Amino acid sequence: KQEVTQIPAALSVPEGENLVLNCSFTDSAIYNLQWFRQDPGKGLTSLLLIQSSQREQTSGRLNASLDKSSGRSTLYIAASQPGDSATYLCAVYSSASKIIFGSGTRLSIRP
Amino acid sequence: GAGVSQSPSNKVTEKGKDVELRCDPISGHTALYWYRQSLGQGLEFLIYFQGNSAPDKSGLPSDRFSAERTGGSVSTLTIQRTQQEDSAVYLCASGYNEQFFGPGTRLTVL
Repeated sequence: KQEVTQIPAALSVPEGENLVLNCSFTDSAIYNLQWFRQDPGKGLTSLLLIQSSQREQTSGRLNASLDKSSGRSTLYIAASQPGDSATYLCAVYSSASKIIFGSGTRLSIRP
Repeated sequence: GAGVSQSPSNKVTEKGKDVELRCDPISGHTALYWYRQSLGQGLEFLIYFQGNSAPDKSGLPSDRFSAERTGGSVSTLTIQRTQQEDSAVYLCASGYNEQFFGPGTRLTVL
């Protein structure tokens, strides 16, 4: 059974720092992995999707990597800004219908 | 449409009443998912529709929960005889291999 873990549960850093969020999964036979952000009281916004054949994806200040063999993905945020404050969730696709979400990392960027 | 929409955005109901939550997926998306997110918790999968295939209902927590998808587009999640523990945000997503989420319906059962 696929299990997805995100550590830490919460993180607070000063503005301008680069940071890494972690997502680990127990079954390496994954289909895709997707990173989302969720603002309080809102739905999920897709940030990056990494297909199983890919090692990383980049969008602006965000870079997501995937290492299936070790069961890990990281989301790197460069030059953090207060507007980056949100909860970040990773979702692991074991198939198109079997998608397991981590419990998220609540990120706070201090001005 | 431009994105996934859900209605209502907020619903307050009394224990024991039935509620219906609606999801309009992105036009052309054949896959549709319902999730539940309780306060401070992660997402709990409820049900998955893909085209004309039988839905995957493995995440529905009890027989009080049901969902339909008419014409392969709009979906309705129905909760009968609501309980206080049903209070949560109900999220809908559409898309195959990559999900796009709606803003959710916040359900409060008094």
